[in-house]
Amino acid sequence: AQTVTQSQPEMSVQEAETVTLSCTYDTSESDYYLFWYKQPPSRQMILVIRQEAYKQQNATENRFSVNFQKAAKSFSLKISDSQLGDAAMYFCAYRSPGNTPLVFGKGTRLSVIA
Amino acid sequence: DVKVTQSSRYLVKRTGEKVFLECVQDMDHENMFWYRQDPGLGLRLIYFSYDVKMKEKGDIPEGYSVSREKKERFSLILESASTNQTSMYLCASSPPGRQAHYEQYFGPGTRLTVT
Repeated sequence: AQTVTQSQPEMSVQEAETVTLSCTYDTSESDYYLFWYKQPPSRQMILVIRQEAYKQQNATENRFSVNFQKAAKSFSLKISDSQLGDAAMYFCAYRSPGNTPLVFGKGTRLSVIA
Repeated sequence: DVKVTQSSRYLVKRTGEKVFLECVQDMDHENMFWYRQDPGLGLRLIYFSYDVKMKEKGDIPEGYSVSREKKERFSLILESASTNQTSMYLCASSPPGRQAHYEQYFGPGTRLTVT
């Protein structure tokens, strides 16, 4: 079974600075999908960014980018120019191809300091 | 926009009560999921469903059952609520599994307290 590990339960960053959240996963599959989800204090979980394992190019969405290292099974999230609205729980998730649910890490709580 | 709604944001029940948590999605998604979220444990899958009247156990199905009589609605049932089922419950939906790159869309969650 696949597992996802987020080794940083809590992180903090100064407003306008850059922060990187770590995620590693364990799988024997070669084709899969990786996601970062954000859960603000209001609790609605939303997708931040996704990465297909067969794509070598790292995904980018505005201030959010990933560093996908397939051989190392690492999928970190970089947030540039951090804003107060970025404060949230961030979950890394893995999904196999086919009809499978997401496997989540335990989350990293990010605080943004003004 | 995809919308996943859950019947209650906050719910307080007594031990031994039968509890129904309802989830409705408006995007005609085949797949629906129930997760439980606890501090330090992340999200754990309780049950999921790929089609009407179909269900699959997740990682922690004990003490729970589900019902999916209509495509848009997926209900989580606690037959006899216990205090260790106090938690945040999240419902999600997604398009068919072959479109695995599609994200899951989440509801706002139901904070259940069992006293």
